[in-house]
Amino acid sequence: DTGVSQDPRHKITKRGQNVTFRCDPISEHNRLYWYRQTLGQGPEFLTYFQNEAQLEKSRLLSDRFSAERPKGSFSTLEIQRTEQGDSAMYLCASSPGELGAFFGQGTRLTVV
Amino acid sequence: DQQVKQNSPSLSVQEGRISILNCDYTNSMFDYFLWYKKYPAEGPTFLISISSIKDKNEDGRFTVFLNKSAKHLSLHIVPSQPGDSAVYFCAASGYNNNDMRFGAGTRLTVKP
Repeated sequence: DTGVSQDPRHKITKRGQNVTFRCDPISEHNRLYWYRQTLGQGPEFLTYFQNEAQLEKSRLLSDRFSAERPKGSFSTLEIQRTEQGDSAMYLCASSPGELGAFFGQGTRLTVV
Repeated sequence: DQQVKQNSPSLSVQEGRISILNCDYTNSMFDYFLWYKKYPAEGPTFLISISSIKDKNEDGRFTVFLNKSAKHLSLHIVPSQPGDSAVYFCAASGYNNNDMRFGAGTRLTVKP
C-alpha cells in the first residue's frame, strides 16, 4: 500500500490524558499537512511541513498541540491534556509539491 | 475565518442528470482551487483542480469552472451516477500551496 497511512484509526482517551498520532506519508512526498475535521465541517488546517521543517502553524494549534517530522519522513501529532473539544477526526495529507494532496484515512479521537 | 464557503449542505440529483456543486471564496490571493470527494470512514480523495489562470478544467465527467471576478467556482458532474454519492469539499490555496482552506462540504446524493 503506497498511500498515506495513519495510526491509530481510532483513539478513545480520558480527558487530561496525552495522545500521539502517527502519519506515514507517501514516499518522497516532501510536503505533509495535518488537518482536523469535526462533524459537518470541512477539514481545518493545523500545520504544514516541508521536509522536516514546520513552516506553517494555524492559530487553531494551541500550546497543547505539537507536531514533529523528524528526518522529513513520518510525522507525529501530540495533544497534551486532552479536552472534550479536541474530539475530532485528525487527517494527515502529503503532497509532492505539485497541486493536490493525498489524504490518509484519519484518526478519530474521542475524549471522554 | 470562513475563506471558502459551500452554502449548500446537501444536493439530491437523479441518475443521468447534471450535478452542480458551488463554492465561493473571499481571499483574492488564492491561486489554486481543488475539489475533493469523501466517502464515510475515508479521507478526502482529490478529484480535480484548476489554476487561477484558467476558467475551466475538464476531466471525464467532471468539469470545474472558475469565475475569478465573482470569486466563485463550481463542479459539474455529468452524467451523475449513484457511485458519485459522497461529500464534496471545495478547497483553495495560495501559489505555494502551503495551506489549503476547505469549505464545509456538500453531500451529494444521486438517486437511481
